[in-house]
Amino acid sequence: SYELTQPPSVSVSPGQTANITCSGDKLGDKYASWYQQRPGQSPVLVIYQDNTRPSGIPERFSGSNSGNTATLTISGTQPMDEADYYCQAWDSNTGVFGTGTTVTVL
Amino acid sequence: QVQLQESGPGLVEPSQTLSLTCSVSGGSISGGNYYWTWIRQHPGKGLEWIGYIYYSVTTAYNPSLRSRVIISADTSKNQFSLKLSSVSAADTAVYYCASRKAFRDSTHFDLWGRGTLVTVSS
Repeated sequence: SYELTQPPSVSVSPGQTANITCSGDKLGDKYASWYQQRPGQSPVLVIYQDNTRPSGIPERFSGSNSGNTATLTISGTQPMDEADYYCQAWDSNTGVFGTGTTVTVL
Repeated sequence: QVQLQESGPGLVEPSQTLSLTCSVSGGSISGGNYYWTWIRQHPGKGLEWIGYIYYSVTTAYNPSLRSRVIISADTSKNQFSLKLSSVSAADTAVYYCASRKAFRDSTHFDLWGRGTLVTVSS
């Protein structure tokens, strides 16, 4: 089965840039989406189609996808960005989520 | 604006069938505009896609759960449902319903319910 692998955790200082990677076989040939999940809340879509922000998502969130790796970048990270982040893609008509990354803003 | 709300028993006995319903407001589930989806999250763990129903009849399931899952739709109530049979403690999770727009290149879940915790225990 298809797998998407993320680092378990990423730490970033306020105002700095956080990069969260998502690795999967030929992921660049698929569309990657990213979700933010704060404790006790439902996931929220922050990036779709590799690099498109839904309405209402701050410009500091951006994405890229090439080769075997998709990346979510949070520029000028704020304390409110502390959350779990999941990538997601499709393989053979099956939805697949990444293993998840906890972003800590120190 | 479309909104989703899960409902169902919070406790299910082992070997029984878990049944959940997602009520959809602000949109019709029979319109063919969305893939109506179930996703779950084990306590403290990541997200797992369970499957979807489209146009009230077309379904797709996670291969790891396919033998135990049925997703169906009740257009008269504007609801879609999840049935997971022969449950065990490993099925204890928060279950979310979500939607994905049904147009080309739409691969993301843009709407989610609040989720409902289902515990499998005797």
